[in-house]
Amino acid sequence: QKEVEQDPGPLSVPEGAIVSLNCTYSNSAFQYFMWYRQYSRKGPELLMYTYSSGNKEDGRFTAQVDKSSKYISLFIRDSQPSDSATYLCAMRAYTNAGKSTFGDGTTLTVKP
Amino acid sequence: DAGVTQSPTHLIKTRGQQVTLRCSPKSGHDTVSWYQQALGQGPQFIFQYYEEEERQRGNFPDRFSGHQFPNYSSELNVNALLLGDSALYLCASSSGRSNSPLHFGNGTRLTVT
Repeated sequence: QKEVEQDPGPLSVPEGAIVSLNCTYSNSAFQYFMWYRQYSRKGPELLMYTYSSGNKEDGRFTAQVDKSSKYISLFIRDSQPSDSATYLCAMRAYTNAGKSTFGDGTTLTVKP
Repeated sequence: DAGVTQSPTHLIKTRGQQVTLRCSPKSGHDTVSWYQQALGQGPQFIFQYYEEEERQRGNFPDRFSGHQFPNYSSELNVNALLLGDSALYLCASSSGRSNSPLHFGNGTRLTVT
């Protein structure tokens, strides 16, 4: 079993919809949680970076962390066609600054 | 502010050959990590370099080796290439002095035939 499991998708939504992307994890040592967006033929781009349980908002994006349930989510409000990409969750333990463990990604398509 | 740069962008090699990939970290970063991303999968950690030394290593054979230079740039070397080494190789940089997240380059697409 993988340490990080991500809803595989693909996900297709109409423009303006609210999108929910989810990951679960099994390693209780994970303390830092990230969401990356990856466009085709590009490297992952950091969207959100959180440490504590709770919500963190940045524009149309909200990251939610529930350490007790080992569950993280990314919400995208008012989704746009430019949001069409693969979304990767990632996490790491405090003592492993470089080693992040990634989910396999969810591919999102936002239709105009 | 220059981000993470990688070269080359694409590479085609034959089984058994050796390859060297290069990475320059984001300005202000001193730590470089390398990841392998197979098609349809998330990036897998290969190793991390800080202060010119390999600090951590993932579950990759010793055919994969690296180096970090005094200017913090880094190289990834893969010997005796296998077909299964075909993937996107990503370099990520961060600051070793803080709990900063990884910033990635656009990768090198390696195809082994």
